[in-house]
Amino acid sequence: DIQMTQSPSSLPASVGDRVTITCRASQSLGNYLNWYQQKPGKAPQLLIYDASSLYSGVPSRFSGSGSGTDFTLTISSLQPEDFATYYCQQSSNDLAFGGGTKVEIK
Amino acid sequence: QVQLVQSGAEVRKPGSSVKVSCKASGASINGYTVNWVRQAPGQGLEWMGRIIPIEDTTKYAQKLQGRVTITADKSTNTAYMELSSLRSADTAVYYCARAPIVGIGHDAFDIWGQGTVVSVSS
Repeated sequence: DIQMTQSPSSLPASVGDRVTITCRASQSLGNYLNWYQQKPGKAPQLLIYDASSLYSGVPSRFSGSGSGTDFTLTISSLQPEDFATYYCQQSSNDLAFGGGTKVEIK
Repeated sequence: QVQLVQSGAEVRKPGSSVKVSCKASGASINGYTVNWVRQAPGQGLEWMGRIIPIEDTTKYAQKLQGRVTITADKSTNTAYMELSSLRSADTAVYYCARAPIVGIGHDAFDIWGQGTVVSVSS
């Protein structure tokens, strides 16, 4: 099984900050890596697919990069509605999620 | 508007089974895989398995193999997830989510159901 390690698990930040979340896979995924945002009590929502493609309707302040085993999700200027938990998901070999990163108010 | 609408909350005793439904509206499930993901209280997301309704093929997470069964009824545009031999650790919110077979991404879940709470307690 491919193991997904997300870091950090918790990220205190302020509105306007540039935020970077990292996801590392135990073996190469190519670009088969997706990112989701989840708010409390709600289902996750797709942000980024295939490592760097922005899903329809997602603000351009969100971006993804990486390939192989190392990937990042960047929020260029954090907005109040972006405080949430973010998950990476690999789709190369079966499917699995990272442990999540909670972006919280500093 | 495309939606996945799930069945309501369930309470079960340890050792029993539960079956959760996921009905698609606004689009056929035939062009998608339908996946099941669960989230225990305060925990992260766990992929359970998926079905490709147009092929009627399934794949399950190794951890749940033998306890989970995913089916689909193309005539009603509905997928089902049945989990047996329930234990307290199965208490979670269960989500269905679709991924386009062709189009955006590779197993990228673009539409999710609202979630179904399953509580397992004696």
